[in-house]
Amino acid sequence: AQKITQTQPGMFVQEKEAVTLDCTYDTSDPSYGLFWYKQPSSGEMIFLIYQGSYDQQNATEGRYSLNFQKARKSANLVISASQLGDSAMYFCAMRGLFFGNEKLTFGTGTRLTIIP
Amino acid sequence: DSGVTQTPKHLITATGQRVTLRCSPRSGDLSVYWYQQSLDQGLQFLIQYYNGEERAKGNILERFSAQQFPDLHSELNLSSLELGDSALYFCASSEGGQGETEAFFGQGTRLTVV
Repeated sequence: AQKITQTQPGMFVQEKEAVTLDCTYDTSDPSYGLFWYKQPSSGEMIFLIYQGSYDQQNATEGRYSLNFQKARKSANLVISASQLGDSAMYFCAMRGLFFGNEKLTFGTGTRLTIIP
Repeated sequence: DSGVTQTPKHLITATGQRVTLRCSPRSGDLSVYWYQQSLDQGLQFLIQYYNGEERAKGNILERFSAQQFPDLHSELNLSSLELGDSALYFCASSEGGQGETEAFFGQGTRLTVV
């Protein structure tokens, strides 16, 4: 079974500052993928970034980077130079990589509010 | 735009009724997933189809069923609706191969049962 834990229900950050959203996971799968999604108040789920358990380097996508520490089973999302439009719910998720185990398991989310 | 299309966007219906939610996956994607997002349960996986066949099942109630058609669109049928079924229902699609690095969601169908 897979489990995702997000321990920060809410965060307030000043505009232009960097922010780290925490995510820890637990799985018995030898290979897996880790995802971050953004859900603005309009409700859609927006894919942000992916990290494979086998990747040696941390993933980056523009202002988003994933701080992957496999031994600690953590996959924190770092947003640099935060903007007002970053205010949203953020979900960490994981999936197995083999047949029949591809579903996403989500954490409970962190509500990020950017303060002008 | 994720390329995944869900209809309708909003649905209001009475208890005991039956509704059908529709999902068109991204072009070329063979896998379709359905998820339910509610305030008390969070985001829960319901069911996955791959190229017309059921591939994985999650916490899907017996009152709910789904299918994937030859053109790869999928429908989620919810029957004997209860107040607790009110939620945001998402469809996601992916190519369906192992080791995928992407999974894209539709905009969701917000179901309100009154």
